[in-house]
Amino acid sequence: NAGVTQTPKFQVLKTGQSMTLQCAQDMNHEYMSWYRQDPGMGLRLIHYSVGAGITDQGEVPNGYNVSRSTTEDFPLRLLSAAPSQTSVYFCASREDSANYGYTFGSGTRLTVV
Amino acid sequence: DQQVKQNSPSLSVQEGRISILNCDYTNSMFDYFLWYKKYPAEGPTFLISISSIKDKNEDGRFTVFLNKSAKHLSLHIVPSQPGDSAVYFCAGDSNYQLIWGAGTKLIIKP
Repeated sequence: NAGVTQTPKFQVLKTGQSMTLQCAQDMNHEYMSWYRQDPGMGLRLIHYSVGAGITDQGEVPNGYNVSRSTTEDFPLRLLSAAPSQTSVYFCASREDSANYGYTFGSGTRLTVV
Repeated sequence: DQQVKQNSPSLSVQEGRISILNCDYTNSMFDYFLWYKKYPAEGPTFLISISSIKDKNEDGRFTVFLNKSAKHLSLHIVPSQPGDSAVYFCAGDSNYQLIWGAGTKLIIKP
């Protein structure tokens, strides 16, 4: 049981490039989300999904797109990378009930130069 | 507008003693509050949660207390162990969205 798998673990992009951060979970969780963590701050929600075909914006959605074509996968796309998007990105999934908490991937460290 | 605040950036506790981590919130719409533990270069790990209608939840060495009138919650770890050294985050859950505090770095001294 792998849990939540994120790829790649590290990435360096040039300003203006696009890329997709991959996230897959094998726990059959309906709820998935993407967060970013910047130094000295808590995680901030970018986008989330309550099931296949359903996505919604979180606190900091600008510059990012998501789609949820299957229960297992929830990729995050950076449309045109900017230095302000340098951060650590975490994908998470959750069972139906909030009291079980989210299971997080190990993160993708992204640097935009 | 910080909806969830952890005012202590760090806390140092002797091994075997009680660790108390605090969190304040402003949003009364949170359904649940959760505590996560995070080691460097890893994703956060879920520790314990509490429903907004409860005032206490216990799981082994971890107990979370919720004071709704003060909009304050705390995580107690008894006894503290060296492996507890990590950054601890509290978060409020409202409609599938987690709002996080900035974290408290807990250091357990031998």
